Amino acid sequence: GESVGLHLPTLSVQEGDNSIINCAYSNSASDYFIWYKQESGKGPQFIIDIRSNMDKRQGQRVTVLLNKTVKHLSLQIAATQPGDSAVYFCAENKDQFYFGTGTSLTVIP
Amino acid sequence: DTEVTQTPKHLVMGMTNKKSLKCEQHMGHRAMYWYKQKAKKPPELMFVYSYEKLSINESVPSRFSPECPNSSLLNLHLHALQPEDSALYLCASSHRDRAMEQYFGPGTRLTVT
Repeated sequence: GESVGLHLPTLSVQEGDNSIINCAYSNSASDYFIWYKQESGKGPQFIIDIRSNMDKRQGQRVTVLLNKTVKHLSLQIAATQPGDSAVYFCAENKDQFYFGTGTSLTVIP
Repeated sequence: DTEVTQTPKHLVMGMTNKKSLKCEQHMGHRAMYWYKQKAKKPPELMFVYSYEKLSINESVPSRFSPECPNSSLLNLHLHALQPEDSALYLCASSHRDRAMEQYFGPGTRLTVT
């Protein structure tokens, strides 16, 4: 299938700072994108999604931005907390559902 | 109840053994999934069941055999596995097939010796 990649495999941020996790996708026909969070020893957990007819979607402390021109997706986490430490996966859906490579976020207290 | 449960949490098996992984959800979801996840890698889709029928098999070797006895249960039968099959096996469910918001269980950590 098409690849969904992330620019940075690891990211360290200070507690209270904002985090930005990036994702590049290659299937321009993908119509739905989603971010998952996977904490150590747990399965992935849904964070936020966005459809291809939107540029931005906000949740609680999280914002997803979609730039279809350059096929780029980002997850912004405001006021990052230690509990945000996890691996974050973007995923795209066209005919089926594919996870990207993942970024490991570490929050420094 | 928004939980997907998986048993066992850990499993060690030899290459000649037969074992089964179990998954259960009581959210009324009609689609269930098996994923394989190697360390530091994203989950890889193996099988999709939709309304208790196998709808997708992502070219998984026959030593993995899925089964969906009813809408709440999903099994993965394992036989003659190889050491490279050692991984975290994740089960997920969603309201319908191809729904993006999937609910994942904690996984079964499988080691093949």
